[in-house]
Amino acid sequence: AQSVTQPDIHITVSEGASLELRCNYSYGATPYLFWYVQSPGQGLQLLLKYFSGDTLVQGIKGFEAEFKRSQSSFNLRKPSVHWSDAAEYFCAVVANTNAGKSTFGDGTTLTVKP
Amino acid sequence: DVKVTQSSRYLVKRTGEKVFLECVQDMDHENMFWYRQDPGLGLRLIYFSYDVKMKEKGDIPEGYSVSREKKERFSLILESASTNQTSMYLCASSLLYNEQFFGPGTRLTVL
Repeated sequence: AQSVTQPDIHITVSEGASLELRCNYSYGATPYLFWYVQSPGQGLQLLLKYFSGDTLVQGIKGFEAEFKRSQSSFNLRKPSVHWSDAAEYFCAVVANTNAGKSTFGDGTTLTVKP
Repeated sequence: DVKVTQSSRYLVKRTGEKVFLECVQDMDHENMFWYRQDPGLGLRLIYFSYDVKMKEKGDIPEGYSVSREKKERFSLILESASTNQTSMYLCASSLLYNEQFFGPGTRLTVL
């Protein structure tokens, strides 16, 4: 069975600082990997996804993520955080078997200091 | 744009009531999902469906059932609501292994 770990429950960064949110997964093969963002009172929105190919993927709102097979990681990064990035971020994996069943991490809450 | 709608944003029910949460998607997606979201616990999969009348249990199916009679509609049923089912319920749909599109959620309170 697949699993996802987001080690950081809460992260605080200053506006303009860089950001890295960690995600580690456990799965026997290479899964499909996703990052979603949930703003307060909103549903989840896809930031980016990795299926295959280039291990550095670009997403919306200036986010990128890097897949590292050797570390079973898919960390999310942004070079300069904006106050509007304050939200909860979820990493998710979908196995390429099992009809698309997904597993989400517990989420990381990002606070942005002015 | 894909649209996933949920029948209610807020719902208040009494213990023991039968509760129906409805979800409709308009993009002909094969997969539909029901999650509950609780602080500190992330999203936990209750059930998912990969085709009409097909369903699979997720991680926390106890106390819930689902129905998918039409491709666009996926219903979550609480046969006898209990206070520990007070939560935010999120519905999502996807094309097979692709990204999921989420509805706005239903905040259910069971008194």
